[in-house]
Amino acid sequence: AAGVIQSPRHLIKEKRETATLKCYPIPRHDTVYWYQQGPGQDPQFLISFYEKMQSDKGSIPDRFSAQQFSDYHSELNMSSLELGDSALYFCASSFLNEQFFGPGTRLTVL
Amino acid sequence: DAKTTQPPSMDCAEGRAANLPCNHSTISGNEYVYWYRQIHSQGPQYIIHGLKNNETNEMASLIITEDRKSSTLILPHATLRDTAVYYCIVRAQLEYGNKLVFGAGTILRVKS
Repeated sequence: AAGVIQSPRHLIKEKRETATLKCYPIPRHDTVYWYQQGPGQDPQFLISFYEKMQSDKGSIPDRFSAQQFSDYHSELNMSSLELGDSALYFCASSFLNEQFFGPGTRLTVL
Repeated sequence: DAKTTQPPSMDCAEGRAANLPCNHSTISGNEYVYWYRQIHSQGPQYIIHGLKNNETNEMASLIITEDRKSSTLILPHATLRDTAVYYCIVRAQLEYGNKLVFGAGTILRVKS
């Protein structure tokens, strides 16, 4: 069965650079979620989209923005990267309420 | 969303049942109990969820007490691949979906 696809899987950036993470949900899933997991921490909700509209917002820094496109894929844009942004970024998708997670993007900021 | 309390870690012998408890004494009537697990650095994996009746699927069983203040996830025959962090999450089901709030889960170590 098709799963959530995230790209890239690994990303290395310098401080103050920008990064774009992409998420392709499971076909027919209408909701996308973004989570951040720092080293040794539990996943933390960042933002979600339902039918291309922002549906909820968590502890997402102002330097980050996201959107969901007409084909339901989503992109997380991160600017002015800081060392503390180094983390695993997971995307999840759902139709109704069970969320299915992608393999994550590991972002390293040097 | 209601807060949950889980033991920080548990050990289980391979082939035996793993019983993971969760307390959610402030759960509301419209909130479901969800279980997810995360194998090291992989994306969290949905296991099972329920409202008030016991549930079973190919992965696990979920036992919810009658007052709904606690629940137990049961992995009937644990294998080494079940070693993971298990999260008990209580959340309402909304039309447009609802975020998962991960608390401190239980590290389950399955040993041979």
